[in-house]
Amino acid sequence: DSGVTQTPKHLITATGQRVTLRCSPRSGDLSVYWYQQSLDQGLQFLIQYYNGEERAKGNILERFSAQQFPDLHSELNLSSLELGDSALYFCASSARDRGGYTFGSGTRLTVV
Amino acid sequence: TQLLEQSPQFLSIQEGENLTVYCNSSSVFSSLQWYRQEPGEGPVLLVTVVTGGEVKKLKRLTFQFGDARKDSSLHITAAQPGDTGLYLCAGGYYGGSQGNLIFGKGTKLSVKP
Repeated sequence: DSGVTQTPKHLITATGQRVTLRCSPRSGDLSVYWYQQSLDQGLQFLIQYYNGEERAKGNILERFSAQQFPDLHSELNLSSLELGDSALYFCASSARDRGGYTFGSGTRLTVV
Repeated sequence: TQLLEQSPQFLSIQEGENLTVYCNSSSVFSSLQWYRQEPGEGPVLLVTVVTGGEVKKLKRLTFQFGDARKDSSLHITAAQPGDTGLYLCAGGYYGGSQGNLIFGKGTKLSVKP
């Protein structure tokens, strides 16, 4: 157990639908990062939050959004889902803006 | 856009063999991290190197950061089936639009008994 909890572990949904992925960071970590991992693209950075504020934005589609709540858990919302959104979505946390990341076990999203 | 190129992309060896995987970039990084990822799990941090020329050893794994802080290598001695997994390098820097880490696409290692 890495200390970073992601739910659900698996998600199957239809095109056009909306889903919410949840992440609880390791205790004490203020930074949360979301990544998308697909076979051909590797780990792609989506977005970072630090203590509730958006800190950096990567290759995140406009159909995707995220937030970090006062208790530091984070949610990634994916809407108008397309087949190409099928991937593993990882959340990671760190104690500061630099240093090693602790990853959760991921959410495997399948869009059918 | 900063890129990290990892080679080889795939590596299949027999138990007991030695191997080296590489991580190269044209950019300078403040730190370089190596992660290992097993199927169905998230990447797990193995080591962080921050000084050019730095060498770190973790049991049978030796990590080196290039003098110019643009490249790194991971050497495994006497590989074991338990070393099987995806090895990812990640370059660290401050600020920018990629968070603070850029990941390579990884080297998929298979060690056969």
